[in-house]
Amino acid sequence: ILNVEQSPQSLHVQEGDSTNFTCSFPSSNFYALHWYRWETAKSPEALFVMTLNGDEKKKGRISATLNTKEGYSYLYIKGSQPEDSATYLCALSGANNLFFGTGTRLTVIP
Amino acid sequence: ETGVTQSPTHLIKTRGQQVTLRCSSQSGHNTVSWYQQALGQGPQFIFQYYREEENGRGNFPPRFSGLQFPNYSSELNVNALELDDSALYLCASSLGFTTNEKLFFGSGTQLSVL
Repeated sequence: ILNVEQSPQSLHVQEGDSTNFTCSFPSSNFYALHWYRWETAKSPEALFVMTLNGDEKKKGRISATLNTKEGYSYLYIKGSQPEDSATYLCALSGANNLFFGTGTRLTVIP
Repeated sequence: ETGVTQSPTHLIKTRGQQVTLRCSSQSGHNTVSWYQQALGQGPQFIFQYYREEENGRGNFPPRFSGLQFPNYSSELNVNALELDDSALYLCASSLGFTTNEKLFFGSGTQLSVL
């Protein structure tokens, strides 16, 4: 079992603000770190899969970094928009499955 | 859209009953995984099927069973339902079975056990 902690649990930001949240893990014994965005009543959607220490990924206004040595990944959203409101899930991959955190619920206030 | 569909979207059962949940994966995806998300928790791995064979199982009792079919559809069966089985059940497909690949999720089946 891989323990995955996400913080904060929830977050409210104003439209236009930039924000970031954290996924932390005590061990680097995993294959990859995944980030998913999950809008209410929809399917979780993959944002990034990162495998190497120092990996940085970017998709539009959203980016993520991975530091396996210190046990964390950050997800950044630049200039938050109301459509960014969702739960952001982090997961570590084992041999054939993912271990998920409980997510960060982001609400962007127009 | 992920191309993964689940049915039904909601289901109410009583304790002791049996339930079958269905998933249709993306065409060409050989792997399907099932996850359970209880209230306030992250999704927890139930099991994975690769080319119709079970390829890994999480910490769930044998009354949770599955099937995968050649047409990229799959089922999750739960026997002798318990109140704690009330949860959102997600299926996810991927091309292969390595966990470096992103998963394509359905929107889930919300199961309530009364």
